[in-house]
Amino acid sequence: DAKTTQPPSMDCAEGRAANLPCNHSTISGNEYVYWYRQIHSQGPQYIIHGLKNNETNEMASLIITEDRKSSTLILPHATLRDTAVYYCIVRVYNQGGKLIFGQGTELSVKP
Amino acid sequence: DGGITQSPKYLFRKEGQNVTLSCEQNLNHDAMYWYRQDPGQGLRLIYYSQIVNDFQKGDIAEGYSVSREKKESFPLTVTSAQKNPTAFYLCASREGKTSYNSPLHFGNGTRLTVT
Repeated sequence: DAKTTQPPSMDCAEGRAANLPCNHSTISGNEYVYWYRQIHSQGPQYIIHGLKNNETNEMASLIITEDRKSSTLILPHATLRDTAVYYCIVRVYNQGGKLIFGQGTELSVKP
Repeated sequence: DGGITQSPKYLFRKEGQNVTLSCEQNLNHDAMYWYRQDPGQGLRLIYYSQIVNDFQKGDIAEGYSVSREKKESFPLTVTSAQKNPTAFYLCASREGKTSYNSPLHFGNGTRLTVT
């Protein structure tokens, strides 16, 4: 199974862009990268996913390197409500679509 | 609003008792999943089901059982055989049994405490 590596914690100033990195050097060609976040005692919230092209939605942007070995989630204008644990996940292909969660990055947005 | 409902939010049981956690979705999703989360840890997959009347073991299925008699419901039973049942349990669903790229959507979890 492709694994991901994320920094355990990061800080970001409110109103600034938060750039969360993720390494997935063993990713296979047909495996997607997903990002979720989890606020304490709640279920994970889906943010965005992509295969090889950069993606953007109303929550965030996902930048995937050309070799697909790493990606960056960008929250363009972080707010205090973006404080959460962010998970970068590579979906396991042909195993029921399950997601394998790592430890994630704890993002603290500070005033 | 469409979504995934897990009930109850908090559950307390005595050791040796079986307990069933409820998960209902009205999203018309084909696949459903149960995860467990321990403090400071990521999520670990217990069971998943891609269609009604079928389910597969995940990575930590021992001491758990599930059923999928209806598309919208996927209850999880924590049996007395589960050595460390106290945890935060999360249910998720996903549309399209053949669309592996659709994202999982999660409920808000049930926190089970066994003493």
